[in-house]
Amino acid sequence: AQTVTQSQPEMSVQEAETVTLSCTYDTSESDYYLFWYKQPPSRQMILVIRQEAYKQQNATENRFSVNFQKAAKSFSLKISDSQLGDAAMYFCAYRSQQTGANNLFFGTGTRLTVIP
Amino acid sequence: SAVISQKPSRDICQRGTSLTIQCQVDSQVTMMFWYRQQPGQSLTLIATANQGSEATYESGFVIDKFPISRPNLTFSTLTVSNMSPEDSSIYLCSVRTGRNTEAFFGQGTRLTVV
Repeated sequence: AQTVTQSQPEMSVQEAETVTLSCTYDTSESDYYLFWYKQPPSRQMILVIRQEAYKQQNATENRFSVNFQKAAKSFSLKISDSQLGDAAMYFCAYRSQQTGANNLFFGTGTRLTVIP
Repeated sequence: SAVISQKPSRDICQRGTSLTIQCQVDSQVTMMFWYRQQPGQSLTLIATANQGSEATYESGFVIDKFPISRPNLTFSTLTVSNMSPEDSSIYLCSVRTGRNTEAFFGQGTRLTVV
């Protein structure tokens, strides 16, 4: 089974500054998806950004961008100009592209605190 | 995208009882999933509930403990049966609108078993 590792249980960032959350994964597959989800105290899991493994270009969504290093199996999330509303648990997730593969494999999460 | 409504949002239950959690989606979706998030932990897939077929359970989860219904393309229920304190978790419903799309989640049900 695929494993997803987030080595930073907690991170903090000053408001308006930039923070990078780390994620590594283990797979023998070549085609897959990677995701970052945000879970605020409301418990709703919100998709932040997604990356297809076949795309070399790093995904970007406004203040959120990723550094996808396929050979190193690394998928870090950079949050620029951090805002108070960014405070949440962040989960990295992996899903195979194989037909019938439905499971999302999640990391253990990183709790991000934004300091005013 | 899909908007998912999950009920109840939280409940406190006595051990030995059962709780049924409902998941309603605002559009027809083929794939629905139920996840468990134990306190301070990540999400673990319980089962996949596709309409018209039996739910497919992941290792460590069984139908007798977590029966699932999927009567149509917009609705599913998960029952947590014969509850014990170890079942205290957040249970989340999730859907995908297509094979190559991301998953959307409900707001979760926080279950406490006393």
